[in-house]
Amino acid sequence: EVQLVESGGVVVQPGGSLRLSCAASGFTFDDYTMHWVRQAPGKGLEWVSLISWDGGSTYYADSVKGRFTISRDNSKNSLYLQMNSLRTEDTALYYCAKGLEQWLVQDAFDIWGQGTMVTVSS
Amino acid sequence: DIQMTQSPSSLSASVGDRVTITCRASQSISSYLNWYQQKPGKAPKLLIYAASSLQSGVPSRFSGSGSGTDFTLTISSLQPEDFATYYCQQSYSTPNSFGQGTKLEIK
Repeated sequence: EVQLVESGGVVVQPGGSLRLSCAASGFTFDDYTMHWVRQAPGKGLEWVSLISWDGGSTYYADSVKGRFTISRDNSKNSLYLQMNSLRTEDTALYYCAKGLEQWLVQDAFDIWGQGTMVTVSS
Repeated sequence: DIQMTQSPSSLSASVGDRVTITCRASQSISSYLNWYQQKPGKAPKLLIYAASSLQSGVPSRFSGSGSGTDFTLTISSLQPEDFATYYCQQSYSTPNSFGQGTKLEIK
C-alpha cells in the first residue's frame, strides 16, 4: 500500500524551531518529487515547498523562504521540513504529498499523508 | 506568482444535480491545472490532473475542462458522498498555488 506518514508536529513558542518528518512506503521514493502543503485551521490549502526526486532542486513559498528547509534521505524513504524562526501564522496542519509522475518537478499530488499539526503559540 | 481564483466560494445543490465549479488563473498555465476534493478531517484527494485527466479510481461523473486561464470541474450527477470542499491547483510554476476552495453543501 502506498502510504505517507508525517510526524513531529508539536506546540512551539514563536521564534522556535521544529523538524517535521514524512515516512514513505509502497513506492519507489527516490523516483518522485515530494511536497509539503499546509492548512491553517478552518482555512484553505497553501503549498509550502518541494524537493525534486534527487534532492537537486528545491523551491519554497515566499512566506517561508529563508526560514524553512526541505530535505530528503532517499536511503531512508524519508522527507523532512526544518522550520526555524516560527511565527504564529505558521500554525497549521502540515501534509506531505507525492508527485504524480516519476521524475517530474511540476506535477499534481496524488498521495497525501494524514498531516501533522504545528501550533506556534506563547 | 500565479493567483488562482475559484467561483463560487460556496454552493448549495441537491443529489442528482449537475454542478460546475470554475477556476481562473491570473496568467496562462496551459493545461497544468489539477482538482482536489477534501472532506472534513481528511487529507485532500486528487480528482483531475492536467485539466481533464481523471485520476485512477475517481468516478466518471467527475470531469474537467479548460486550458490557458479558465478551467471548470463538473460533477454530472451529485451523489451524497460528493458534498465536500473542492480546490484547484496550478502546477505550471512555483509557487504551486491553490484556489481558495469551493464548499459544496447539501440544499
